[in-house]
Amino acid sequence: AQTVTQSQPEMSVQEAETVTLSCTYDTSESDYYLFWYKQPPSRQMILVIRQEAYKQQNATENRFSVNFQKAAKSFSLKISDSQLGDAAMYFCAYGEYGNKLVFGAGTILRVKS
Amino acid sequence: DTGVSQDPRHKITKRGQNVTFRCDPISEHNRLYWYRQTLGQGPEFLTYFQNEAQLEKSRLLSDRFSAERPKGSFSTLEIQRTEQGDSAMYLCASSTSRTGDPYEQYFGPGTRLTVT
Repeated sequence: AQTVTQSQPEMSVQEAETVTLSCTYDTSESDYYLFWYKQPPSRQMILVIRQEAYKQQNATENRFSVNFQKAAKSFSLKISDSQLGDAAMYFCAYGEYGNKLVFGAGTILRVKS
Repeated sequence: DTGVSQDPRHKITKRGQNVTFRCDPISEHNRLYWYRQTLGQGPEFLTYFQNEAQLEKSRLLSDRFSAERPKGSFSTLEIQRTEQGDSAMYLCASSTSRTGDPYEQYFGPGTRLTVT
C-alpha cells in the first residue's frame, strides 16, 4: 500500500522568508500524481500545487514550487516570500489517476510577522 | 461553478443515533470521494464513486457506514448506531476522470460530527 510521510509536525518562518516542507512517499507504481493541499484553520482544503510523476520538470505556481525527486521518492514544497496568509496545515498527498488520495499527517506552518 | 457543498456543516448526535450527511459535487465532476479527518491528522479515504457506481470502499468503512450516489449527482453518507469514535470531520471531494484532466480533487467544507 502507498504511504506518505511528513516528518515535520510544525514549521515556523518569518514573513518574507522562504520555507521548505518535506514529504516522502512509498509506492511501487511508476505513474502517479503528487499534490500539496493547504488547510487554513476551520476552513476548507485547497489545492496548492500538483506534480505529475512522468514530468521531470518541477511544478511552480507563483510563490510555491516543488522539488520532486522520483528516485528518492521525495516531494518537498518551497514557499518563497512567505505571507501571513500562508499560515495553515499543509498536507502532502499521493494519487493514481483519479483514485483515492493518500495523505500525510500534515505540517503546521506558522508565519511570524 | 459553485464548488463542492456539504450539509450539514455541524452535527451533534447522541451515541446510538443514526446520522446522514449530504455532498453536492461540482456539477461536471463524475467522481465523488468521502474522507474522514480526525483532529490534527490527514484525511483518510472512506469510499468513492464514479457516476453512480461505488468503485472502492476502505476497510475503515464498517458495516455501520453506507454511502450512496443514486443518480450520479449528489451523494449521502449514513452512519448507523453512532459511536464516540465516529466523531470527526467528514470531507467530500469531487473530480473528473476525463482523459487529460489532472485528476485534482476539490474538497468541500466538511461536516463536523460530534457524538456525545
